[in-house]
Amino acid sequence: GNSVTQMEGPVTLSEEAFLTINCTYTATGYPSLFWYVQYPGEGLQLLLKATKADDKGSNKGFEATYRKETTSFHLEKGSVQVSDSAVYFCALRNSGNTPLVFGKGTRLSVIA
Amino acid sequence: GAGVSQSPSNKVTEKGKDVELRCDPISGHTALYWYRQRLGQGLEFLIYFQGNSAPDKSGLPSDRFSAERTGESVSTLTIQRTQQEDSAVYLCASSLGRDNEQFFGPGTRLTVL
Repeated sequence: GNSVTQMEGPVTLSEEAFLTINCTYTATGYPSLFWYVQYPGEGLQLLLKATKADDKGSNKGFEATYRKETTSFHLEKGSVQVSDSAVYFCALRNSGNTPLVFGKGTRLSVIA
Repeated sequence: GAGVSQSPSNKVTEKGKDVELRCDPISGHTALYWYRQRLGQGLEFLIYFQGNSAPDKSGLPSDRFSAERTGESVSTLTIQRTQQEDSAVYLCASSLGRDNEQFFGPGTRLTVL
């Protein structure tokens, strides 16, 4: 079956620190991979995505590279800001299989 | 509206009561999804609509759960005889088509006492 495992939080970092949130997946076929972000009081928003191996998704200073050999899609940002405090969800979707499969989410708190 | 909206934002109910949750998708989006997020868990897929038909109901946890959609518009998720384990945030998402980006609503937080 399809599943996503991401590092458990909460993660607390100081402003300008480097961020990594690990995500690994199990899937049949060749899934697309996503990172969603949920800011306090808001709905889930797509942060970035990658649709095939070695693709790099990037947005708002965040990056993640689709690594087929390690079945991973780790989220990174070089210098976090307080405004990045949110819950981050890794997800996959198999081609032809519409529902997204989500990880449990990782709460990030960035302190000034 | 500009985004997916859901109502109510919060619902507290007593065990055994029925509840209805509403989702208004983005205008023109033919695909609509319901997910559930229980405390400490990831989002679980419940049901998918394409137009007003539901080709994938595989995530509905029991026959107490049902959903319908009017045309390519509003959807309601109904939970009958609620149980405490139904307490969760219920999220709705819509997309232009089955393979397009899903846009999420803010969710309905359901608490069953």
